[in-house]
Amino acid sequence: GDSVTQMEGPVTLSEEACLTINCTYTATGYPSLFWYVQYPGEGLQLLLKATKADDKGSNKGFEATYRKETTSFHLEKGSVQVSDSAVYFCALNSGGYQKVTFGTGTKLQVIP
Amino acid sequence: EPEVTQTPSHQVTQMGQEVILRCVPISNHLYFYWYRQILGQKVEFLVSFYNNEISEKSEIFDDQFSVERPDGSNFTLKIRSTKLEDSAMYFCASTDRGAFRAFFGQGTRLTVV
Repeated sequence: GDSVTQMEGPVTLSEEACLTINCTYTATGYPSLFWYVQYPGEGLQLLLKATKADDKGSNKGFEATYRKETTSFHLEKGSVQVSDSAVYFCALNSGGYQKVTFGTGTKLQVIP
Repeated sequence: EPEVTQTPSHQVTQMGQEVILRCVPISNHLYFYWYRQILGQKVEFLVSFYNNEISEKSEIFDDQFSVERPDGSNFTLKIRSTKLEDSAMYFCASTDRGAFRAFFGQGTRLTVV
């Protein structure tokens, strides 16, 4: 079945540091890939998505590229802010109306 | 952006009681889902619902759980006899015909005491 593996947290960075959160996946066919963010005490928000190989999703300075050859979708940001502190979930959908499969989440803490 | 709305935001119930969690999906969406997130853990799929019937369910979704779309706008999750381990955040989601992405609600935090 489908699965998503993402790096363990927590990740602690200083403000303006570079961020990479690794994510790899296993899926049948050609899934759509997502990053969701959960701020403290809040629900799930879609951060970015990519629906086919080599697509780059981007939003709020975050980027991730759909790499079919390495089955990866790593999340990157060049300069993190304190307000980026949250839990980040990598996820996939195997197409159409299939369920979303989530990774375990990576907690990011950015310190001033 | 359109929103999925969930009520209540927080519910406390006694073990053994029935609870109903309510969701209003986005109006033109056709597929509806419930997910669960136990505190500090991953988000887990419970059930998907289309055309007034369950299309897929996980092992978590046992006989204690049921879903319903009673009036064409609400989508509910019922837990018949709550257990302590049902304490979690429950998320409702819906997708449109194109199914390019799922829209999630803000969640209902269920605490069973």
